[in-house]
Formats: sequence, structure tokens, C-alpha cells
Amino acid sequence: AQTVTQSQPEMSVQEAETVTLSCTYDTSESDYYLFWYKQPPSRQMILVIRQEAYKQQNATENRFSVNFQKAAKSFSLKISDSQLGDAAMYFCAYLIQGAQKLVFGQGTRLTINP
Amino acid sequence: DGGITQSPKYLFRKEGQNVTLSCEQNLNHDAMYWYRQDPGQGLRLIYYSQIVNDFQKGDIAEGYSVSREKKESFPLTVTSAQKNPTAFYLCASSPREAPLHFGNGTRLTVT
Repeated sequence: AQTVTQSQPEMSVQEAETVTLSCTYDTSESDYYLFWYKQPPSRQMILVIRQEAYKQQNATENRFSVNFQKAAKSFSLKISDSQLGDAAMYFCAYLIQGAQKLVFGQGTRLTINP
Repeated sequence: DGGITQSPKYLFRKEGQNVTLSCEQNLNHDAMYWYRQDPGQGLRLIYYSQIVNDFQKGDIAEGYSVSREKKESFPLTVTSAQKNPTAFYLCASSPREAPLHFGNGTRLTVT
């Protein structure tokens, strides 16, 4: 069975600094997708960034970037220039190509200190 | 604007009663999903549907039922057989192999 592990239940960072959230996954598949979702206090799930496993280049979206290490099955999220609005729960998720079932990690609660 | 609408936002029921949570999407997505979220935890898949009139059990389907009579709608019924129904429920939809779009969720409290 596929599993996604986020080993940091909570993280905090000073405003304007950089923080990295960890995610590892377990799979025997070769074609899959990885995602980071953000859930602010409103509880709306917001897609932050996606990575296709066949792409070697790490995905970036403005201040958000990933470090995708396929052999190590690692998919960390780096947030640069942290802002107060980045405070939220962050979930790592995995989707097998051709399937429709998204598997989520337990989440990391990120606090931004002003 | 296209999106996913879940209603109501808050729902209260007495133990032993069935309750149906609504989910409607106008994104023309084929696939729809129901997830459950408990405090401090991630999302767990209850049911999903890839096409009208077809659906599959997720990881925690016991005590729940769904229907998919229309592409736009995927209601979830929480039955009295669900032993611990109080939770936050999220509906989502997606085109094939694409990120999920989520609704705003329904907070169900059963007393």
C-alpha cells in the first residue's frame, strides 16, 4: 500500500525567513504525481504545487519550491520569504498515474512568527 | 465562476439518524471524492466516483453510502452504522490525473 509520511507535526519560522517541510512516501510505482496542499484556518484545501515523477526538474511556484528526490522517495517543500498568510496546515499527497485515489500525509502545522 | 459547493457548512444530528451531505460541482469534472478529516489528522478517502452511476469504496467506507446519478452531484449519506461520525467532511472533484479541487467542507456534529 502507498503511504505518505510527514515527520514534522509542527514547524515555526520567522517572517521573511525560509522554511522546509519534509515528506517521504512509499511506493513501488514508477509513474505518479506528488502534491503539496495548504489548509488555512478556513479549512479550504488549496493546491500549492505539483510534481510529476517523470520530471527531473524540481517544480517552483513563486516563493514555493520542492526538492524531489525520486530514489530517496522524498518530496520536501521550501517556502522562501515566509509571510504571515503562509500560516496553515500543509499536506503532502501522492497520486498514482492512471488511478484516481489521492493519498495524504498527516500534515505539518506551520506557524509564522512576526 | 466554476467551483464546488458543499452544504451546509455546519450540520448537527442526533445519534441514530442518517444524514446526507450535499456536494455539487460545475467544473465538468468526471471524478468526485469524499474525504473525512479528524482533528490534527490528514484526509482519509471515504468513496470516489470516476463516472456517473459508478463509485468505489475508499479506505473508510463502512457506515457511509453515496450515489452518482448526475455528473454534477455526489451526495454522501452518513448512516447510523457509522460509529464515530463527528468530523469534517471534504468533497473534491478532478479531471483525470489532475489535482483535486476541494469544496469548503461540512462540519458534522453528532450527539
